[in-house]
Amino acid sequence: RKEVEQDPGPFNVPEGATVAFNCTYSNSASQSFFWYRQDCRKEPKLLMSVYSSGNEDGRFTAQLNRASQYISLLIRDSKLSDSATYLCVVNGRSSNTGKLIFGQGTTLQVKP
Amino acid sequence: DGGITQSPKYLFRKEGQNVTLSCEQNLNHDAMYWYRQDPGQGLRLIYYSQIVNDFQKGDIAEGYSVSREKKESFPLTVTSAQKNPTAFYLCASNPDRGAVGTNEKLFFGSGTQLSVL
Repeated sequence: RKEVEQDPGPFNVPEGATVAFNCTYSNSASQSFFWYRQDCRKEPKLLMSVYSSGNEDGRFTAQLNRASQYISLLIRDSKLSDSATYLCVVNGRSSNTGKLIFGQGTTLQVKP
Repeated sequence: DGGITQSPKYLFRKEGQNVTLSCEQNLNHDAMYWYRQDPGQGLRLIYYSQIVNDFQKGDIAEGYSVSREKKESFPLTVTSAQKNPTAFYLCASNPDRGAVGTNEKLFFGSGTQLSVL
């Protein structure tokens, strides 16, 4: 089983739609969780950290479910510019070295 | 402006050749990392360094070597022993040596696409 798993998609949605991605992780001791956005052949950029209480940033909402070991990202009112790959990132087994484990990414295509 | 600079943007390697990818940061960060990304895959850790003159193997270190002689520089050499080097290589840094409970946000360079001729 992969340490961090995501549905690769692609998710094809119309502008204005609401879309949600899930990501599961295997290490129950993981403490840090993030969503990164990556445009094609560009570097990943931090979208948001995921806190136990959940957090929201504009149209984006991230949630953590420790019992089921998954995190989610909800995007409301999708824009064309949201088209990208979204990477789920979790701190790994050797957590004292800050080694982050990346999921393979979920691709979102927002259509006009 | 502070940031991470990777060069070159594109690199071609011939059979049996070693090539070196450059990564320089002026963020005064302690920790630096090298990742490899294959199409449709997540990032995989090659090597990381938490402090000058020290580095550790990541998950896929075979066929690669690094050095950390200066805080701001962390070059990656792809040796001839790496039989499948074609990939997108990303360098990253972190200000806090990656300890749990600290800021684990990574700052990435713009990447180097390595291809085999």
